[in-house]
Amino acid sequence: ETGVTQSPTHLIKTRGQQVTLRCSSQSGHNTVSWYQQALGQGPQFIFQYYREEENGRGNFPPRFSGLQFPNYSSELNVNALELDDSALYLCASSLPAGPFNEQFFGPGTRLTVL
Amino acid sequence: ELKVEQNPLFLSMQEGKNYTIYCNYSTTSDRLYWYRQDPGKSLESLFVLLSNGAVKQEGRLMASLDTKARLSTLHITAAVHDLSATYFCAVVRNNDMRFGAGTRLTVKP
Repeated sequence: ETGVTQSPTHLIKTRGQQVTLRCSSQSGHNTVSWYQQALGQGPQFIFQYYREEENGRGNFPPRFSGLQFPNYSSELNVNALELDDSALYLCASSLPAGPFNEQFFGPGTRLTVL
Repeated sequence: ELKVEQNPLFLSMQEGKNYTIYCNYSTTSDRLYWYRQDPGKSLESLFVLLSNGAVKQEGRLMASLDTKARLSTLHITAAVHDLSATYFCAVVRNNDMRFGAGTRLTVKP
């Protein structure tokens, strides 16, 4: 059984560009959540996907969008990057029992916006 | 609005000592989590607390939940250097999950 994986591990972009981050959930998990963690802070919930539908969203603007695919992998897209988007982006997958059940986190993607 | 407060934010303790980290939250919640994060690493799940009075223990760490007081504690017993990390509590309500700011724990010889 493989754990949660994310790609890429590191990414450098410039202001105004767009970025796509990817997450493969743990085998059998149908729920994926995305978080943004700025340096020295706690993670902030971006959104969650459950069976390919958005199932909850935190306080993030529409330029943060996502997808979940039939194999339950997921993408996070960020348009019009801003300097404050620099952060560690974490995805987490959950057991099929329901959303926000015990979550297993991936290693994260560190995004730097210059 | 669901708010989560942890204290202390920084904790330096000597090996062998005991201490408690506190997590207060502002509204009723569905469940509460404790996570550990090592520098530059992802989050590791420690405990999931589902009901009032729940207590869970793993090694030198014990977590408890008082839903009436909207308070969870993470108690560290006889700290060792390997426990040095940042500890987060997180509260779930409806389809939202909020984290505390984290407690950065340093255990010194």
